[in-house]
Amino acid sequence: NAGVTQTPKFRILKIGQSMTLQCTQDMNHNYMYWYRQDPGMGLKLIYYSVGAGITDKGEVPNGYNVSRSTTEDFPLRLELAAPSQTSVYFCASSPQIDKNIQYFGAGTRLSVL
Amino acid sequence: DQQVKQNSPSLSVQEGRISILNCDYTNSMFDYFLWYKKYPAEGPTFLISISSIKDKNEDGRFTVFLNKSAKHLSLHIVPSQPGDSAVYFCAASANAGGTSYGKLTFGQGTILTVHP
Repeated sequence: NAGVTQTPKFRILKIGQSMTLQCTQDMNHNYMYWYRQDPGMGLKLIYYSVGAGITDKGEVPNGYNVSRSTTEDFPLRLELAAPSQTSVYFCASSPQIDKNIQYFGAGTRLSVL
Repeated sequence: DQQVKQNSPSLSVQEGRISILNCDYTNSMFDYFLWYKKYPAEGPTFLISISSIKDKNEDGRFTVFLNKSAKHLSLHIVPSQPGDSAVYFCAASANAGGTSYGKLTFGQGTILTVHP
């Protein structure tokens, strides 16, 4: 039972590079989310999606883009990496019937140098 | 402006004793509260939740208390076990009108260490 799977687990980027963080879930959840967690801080919502083809900004969307072409996948794109994007990124999903109870992936630790 | 605050970065308790983790919030629109637990190198996992229409919810060793007038909630773990050692996050959402879409606001987390 895989749940929410994130790849890669670790990545080092140079300033200005681009990358896509992958997230897939096998629970047929409608809702999906991307959070970032900085040291000593709580998780902050970057983007969320309520279903395939529908995405919206969260609290800290600048510098990121998302797409949701299928129910299962919700990739997060960093176009021009900056040191301020060094963080741990978590993807989560939740069912429509109880959207507040979210299931998280193990995270992607990203360093931008 | 931090709408959900956990003012204790860490808490250390002895095995078998009670652990009390605290959380304060400022947004009056929050009506649903959750606690998540996080082990190193893993994602957060849901632990327990409470709706604003209740003041207490219990699940085994875990009880969450909500004081709406004080905008304060707490998580009690009794008895504490070494396996409870983790980071605990408080989270809140505003669901009135059906437009929250599950958007959670998290506190900074409290590191709980339970000593054998």
